[in-house]
Amino acid sequence: GNSVTQMEGPVTLSEEAFLTINCTYTATGYPSLFWYVQYPGEGLQLLLKATKADDKGSNKGFEATYRKETTSFHLEKGSVQVSDSAVYFCALRVDYKLSFGAGTTVTVRA
Amino acid sequence: DGGITQSPKYLFRKEGQNVTLSCEQNLNHDAMYWYRQDPGQGLRLIYYSQIVNDFQKGDIAEGYSVSREKKESFPLTVTSAQKNPTAFYLCASSTGTASEKLFFGSGTQLSVL
Repeated sequence: GNSVTQMEGPVTLSEEAFLTINCTYTATGYPSLFWYVQYPGEGLQLLLKATKADDKGSNKGFEATYRKETTSFHLEKGSVQVSDSAVYFCALRVDYKLSFGAGTTVTVRA
Repeated sequence: DGGITQSPKYLFRKEGQNVTLSCEQNLNHDAMYWYRQDPGQGLRLIYYSQIVNDFQKGDIAEGYSVSREKKESFPLTVTSAQKNPTAFYLCASSTGTASEKLFFGSGTQLSVL
């Protein structure tokens, strides 16, 4: 079956620090990969996506590269801000089903 | 503005009671989904619907039921058979087969009294 494994949180950083959240996946077929973000009190929002191997998704300073050889889609940001505090979910989609990781809570301190 | 509306934001259920969570979208999307979110467990798929009058079980359908009588509506009923219903429920939609992007509602927090 399809599954996503994320690094466990919580992650606490200082402002302007470098952020990495690891994500690996298992899938049948050729999945699309996503990162979603959930800010406090809100629903999930699509942050970025990649649809095939070696694609790089980017948005709001975040990046992730679809690595088929390592079945990974790690999220990175070079300089985080307090406003980046949220829960981040890695996800994969095959056909109609979107499978999510457990989420990683990130807290950025001023 | 187009989007997905879930209601209510908070819902309380008594023992043995069925409750229904509402999900409405005006995005003209064919596909709709219900997820359950528990702390530390991410999102688990309850039911999904690819088109009106059709729906399929997800990974944790036991104790839940859905209907899809209209394109814009996909209500979820949490039945008394669901023994641990306390969770955050998220509804989502997408344009369908060719879509790789889900739009999510703001969620309903269900608690047992």
